[in-house]
Amino acid sequence: KNEVEQSPQNLTAQEGEFITINCSYSVGISALHWLQQHPGGGIVSLFMLSSGKKKHGRLIATINIQEKHSSLHITASHPRDSAVYICAVSMDSNYQLIWGAGTKLIIKP
Amino acid sequence: DAGITQSPRHKVTETGTPVTLRCHQTENHRYMYWYRQDPGHGLRLIHYSYGVKDTDKGEVSDGYSVSRSKTEDFLLTLESATSSQTSVYFCAIRRSGDSGHGYTFGSGTRLTVV
Repeated sequence: KNEVEQSPQNLTAQEGEFITINCSYSVGISALHWLQQHPGGGIVSLFMLSSGKKKHGRLIATINIQEKHSSLHITASHPRDSAVYICAVSMDSNYQLIWGAGTKLIIKP
Repeated sequence: DAGITQSPRHKVTETGTPVTLRCHQTENHRYMYWYRQDPGHGLRLIHYSYGVKDTDKGEVSDGYSVSRSKTEDFLLTLESATSSQTSVYFCAIRRSGDSGHGYTFGSGTRLTVV
């Protein structure tokens, strides 16, 4: 079993829909990270969470430490949100990241 | 945002030749990382550094070496390139004392070994 599990693996939605991507982890963590990668592109860090909820524009990330679960939400989705979204956790003093497999999101106009 | 640049952006090299990739940061961050990204594997850690001359291996370190003689530069060397090292390589820094985004990634180096 992977230490970081994401669901769904693939998600296709219509423009304007509310999107939820889930991440579960099985280890103790110091922080959880959400990252975005556009096709053929670089990797952008969206959020770093250790508790609660963070919001940036149309993106919202939540974490429940007791349940070892995080969600990334996108409100009013847009085709430019199409990308791979990756959940990763950092555990120890060297801040190595343990990566989820990613969720490929396609938003259709 | 923290400045981080990778060079070269693209490289084609022949099997058996040594190759060095460079990661340069403009801020004084302690932790730097080299990852490779391959289809079906996601990102895998090659080596990381926690200070000048302080480095350690990641999960896929065989065939790679690193050096960090200055805080701002982290070099990745493929000692004798093989076709299995064809990949996209990403450098990352961990922004110390940051309560926001945590990590910044370089734009990647696409390496092809022929």
